[in-house]
Amino acid sequence: GAVVSQHPSRVICKSGTSVKIECRSLDFQATTMFWYRQFPKKSLMLMATSNEGSKATYEQGVEKDKFLINHASLTLSTLTVTSAHPEDSSFYICSARERDNEQFFGPGTRLTVL
Amino acid sequence: GQNIDQPTEMTATEGAIVQINCTYQTSGFNGLFWYQQHAGEAPTFLSYNVLDGLEEKGRFSSFLSRSKGYSYLLLKELQMKDSASYLCAVMDSNYQLIWGAGTKLIIKP
Repeated sequence: GAVVSQHPSRVICKSGTSVKIECRSLDFQATTMFWYRQFPKKSLMLMATSNEGSKATYEQGVEKDKFLINHASLTLSTLTVTSAHPEDSSFYICSARERDNEQFFGPGTRLTVL
Repeated sequence: GQNIDQPTEMTATEGAIVQINCTYQTSGFNGLFWYQQHAGEAPTFLSYNVLDGLEEKGRFSSFLSRSKGYSYLLLKELQMKDSASYLCAVMDSNYQLIWGAGTKLIIKP
C-alpha cells in the first residue's frame, strides 16, 4: 500500500516556541492532505483539510493562525504549531489521499510542550 | 519490517455478526486500536487493547492475543449504519502508529 511519513516522530519544545511537522506521501501524489489531533484513547479530531496549492480549510474551533498548514507540493504538507503551549501537547497525525482514492495515515508525531 | 494485515472488504447481512481480523508484526507493542471511518469523515475511536483478552462495548467487542500478533473486531446485530471502513492500528515501541489499510464492511439488507 501507499506510504505516508511524518517527521519528526516526537518533539519536545519549550512553551512559546514554534514547531514544524512534516507529512510526506512517498509513492503517490497527495492531492489532499488531512491533519488530525488525537487525545489518548479518543477519536481522531480533524483539524484541517488541505488541497495542493490551495489554502487549508480549518474545522470549527481550530485556530488557523496557531496551526499553520502549508501544502506546497503534491508530496509534502507541513503543520506549524506557533507559540506552542502545554495544552498543545498531543499526538498529531496526517493522512493523504490521491484524488478520490482511499486515505493513508501517517505514523503520527508526539508533541510535548514544556 | 512492520506490517498490519486486514481483509480489504467484507460483506455481511443486517442483523448478523461479523468478525474483522487483524494480524500484525511490529517493533514492540504499546496497544492496538480499532477505528471506524465513514466515507468523508474522520475515524472514530472504537477500542484500545493492550492486554490479552476480550473487551466488550455494546454491540462491538475487540479481542487481542499478543503472542499471536492477532486481534479481531466483532460486530453483533449489524445495522446498515455499520457500513464503513474499519481500521486496525498498532502503536509500536516508539509510540508510532502503524496502520492497516482498512477493511471496507458492506452491510446488505
